[in-house]
Amino acid sequence: AQKVTQAQTEISVVEKEDVTLDCVYETRDTTYYLFWYKQPPSGELVFLIRRNSFDEQNEISGRYSWNFQKSTSSFNFTITASQVVDSAVYFCALSELNQAGTALIFGKGTTLSVSS
Amino acid sequence: DGGITQSPKYLFRKEGQNVTLSCEQNLNHDAMYWYRQDPGQGLRLIYYSQIVNDFQKGDIAEGYSVSREKKESFPLTVTSAQKNPTAFYLCASSISGGGTDTQYFGPGTRLTVL
Repeated sequence: AQKVTQAQTEISVVEKEDVTLDCVYETRDTTYYLFWYKQPPSGELVFLIRRNSFDEQNEISGRYSWNFQKSTSSFNFTITASQVVDSAVYFCALSELNQAGTALIFGKGTTLSVSS
Repeated sequence: DGGITQSPKYLFRKEGQNVTLSCEQNLNHDAMYWYRQDPGQGLRLIYYSQIVNDFQKGDIAEGYSVSREKKESFPLTVTSAQKNPTAFYLCASSISGGGTDTQYFGPGTRLTVL
């Protein structure tokens, strides 16, 4: 069965520190997609990235970067030079190619607190 | 601006009452979803709809009902049969219902049972 594990429940850092959020997934499929979402205090989930299982290239977007390693079934998210506005709950999610249609399998989230 | 709207933002319900949460999208997406979020938990799927007039149960559908009469709208009714309805409810949509498309979320409705 599919499963997403975010072992870090809470992380606290001081502004300008780098921080990595871990995500480990389980799936039997060879074709699947991984996502990261940010949930600020307002509650709305904000889409950050979508990556398919055939693309293992790391991705960088501004201060955000993602490291996808199929060998360890991990899709980790790093924030460089963190800022107070990065404080939020971050969710990793998995979906599989399923013709019947399905939805995302979410991890339980990591709460990131960045203090000034 | 295209997006997903949910109303109301906060909802209070007395025990034994049915309540309906609204979800509307103007993204022209075929698929829509309802998730429930409890404190310290990830999101769990309640119902999803890949196309108008069709919907399927998710992992925790008991005590909930939905309809999909229009492409833009996917209301969720929390019935009195739902034993513990206090939670944060999030609606999402995606271009298609294949399962791998990016889902975009609304701002959520926080339901409290008094």
